[in-house]
Amino acid sequence: QLQLVESGGGVVQTGGSLRLSCAASGFTFTTSGMHWVRQAPGKGLEWVAFIRYDGTRTYYADSVNGRFTISRDNSKNTVYLQMNSLRSDDTAVHYCAKNFFDYGDNAGPFHAWGQGTMVTVSS
Amino acid sequence: EIVLTQSPDTLSLSPGERATLSCRASQSISTYLAWYQQKAGQAPRLLIYDVSNRATGIPARFSGSGSGTDFTLTISSLEPEDFAVYYCQQRSKWPSTFGQGTRLEI
Repeated sequence: QLQLVESGGGVVQTGGSLRLSCAASGFTFTTSGMHWVRQAPGKGLEWVAFIRYDGTRTYYADSVNGRFTISRDNSKNTVYLQMNSLRSDDTAVHYCAKNFFDYGDNAGPFHAWGQGTMVTVSS
Repeated sequence: EIVLTQSPDTLSLSPGERATLSCRASQSISTYLAWYQQKAGQAPRLLIYDVSNRATGIPARFSGSGSGTDFTLTISSLEPEDFAVYYCQQRSKWPSTFGQGTRLEI
């Protein structure tokens, strides 16, 4: 059964850093592009970042470009989001999501989602 | 970036009624549009991809249509579990973007 489990969220001060992890199981991780999508409290969904199945290409939302880095370890079936220079508007539930189509650089759709991990940036 | 505008923001209907939700793109996205359902406290769930393809396990009462810039999600006969927030999302160009959501309420 396909499963994504995020971890690493918490409370951090403005300007601080946090690394999120997403452990995948139940599907062929090594052929799957992976995304991070976030949702601020009471707000809509915002796509954050994508990493190609082999880790050779990444894409970012303008709002996080230069501050966040997505990476993956295919030997551990895990995708990461390193978040630096955090701001109050980064406060959100962060979800990892599997791309529907294998291989390629597809900006979705998002086939499966984890339960999310909350990141709170406090001054 | 491509802006997706959903309408209405809120739709009030009763079980058994037909729901029609709209999503308009700021430029043509061909057929690269998906729909998601999100219930309170839960992660979103993929309903429809590439305009009209139902994801695995999605009931036939959910259908999608459209192309270019105008798209529609139709729920033919509302069940109590369908009351939720619905988002459209485009994968035509990076960055991927979502609509602001339509809340479907009883």
